[in-house]
Amino acid sequence: GQQVMQIPQYQHVQEGEDFTTYCNSSTTLSNIQWYKQRPGGHPVFLIQLVKSGEVKKQKRLTFQFGEAKKNSSLHITATQTTDVGTYFCAEPSGGGADGLTFGKGTHLIIQP
Amino acid sequence: DSGVTQTPKHLITATGQRVTLRCSPRSGDLSVYWYQQSLDQGLQFLIQYYNGEERAKGNILERFSAQQFPDLHSELNLSSLELGDSALYFCASSVAPVGDSPLHFGNGTRLTVT
Repeated sequence: GQQVMQIPQYQHVQEGEDFTTYCNSSTTLSNIQWYKQRPGGHPVFLIQLVKSGEVKKQKRLTFQFGEAKKNSSLHITATQTTDVGTYFCAEPSGGGADGLTFGKGTHLIIQP
Repeated sequence: DSGVTQTPKHLITATGQRVTLRCSPRSGDLSVYWYQQSLDQGLQFLIQYYNGEERAKGNILERFSAQQFPDLHSELNLSSLELGDSALYFCASSVAPVGDSPLHFGNGTRLTVT
């Protein structure tokens, strides 16, 4: 089945540096969602992007949806230790199935 | 707090055994989803129920089954357990059955098969 490709798998940054994770799909998406999972926690919904070229901001987090609605990115400015965790993008499963298909996630590791 | 309740938090059992994981969705949510999370496979969709009916199946093994009851809580049954079934099992719920509603995840059940 379809699966959105997410890169990088791991990202080590120094605290204060920026961080970006990317998702790519082979198909045009109706929408894309982003989740964050803290170590030992459960995935928590961050945002949903629906429109072509859409950009949404949440404080230091910037989410973008590509013009062709086949890719998306999450950028964090000036990372803090509280940003540690795994960031997942997720696309509608499609093919008659509801729910979401998740990318494998990007593990963000921050060195103080 | 997501409002989704999963029990138990931890489960340790032996190979060949059978276990039941329980999930209560957020109040008002009719859709329940089960996901399996292991280190190398990420979040794998297992099965979805909507208002008591099976809606979609993902990579769910034949040894696994689930159901959603009239009060909307759901149970995931895992039988003939193997070492490879050790994983974190998440339940999630959403308002609508379609894939454009955010999912609200429970804290998960960590299953260890020895």
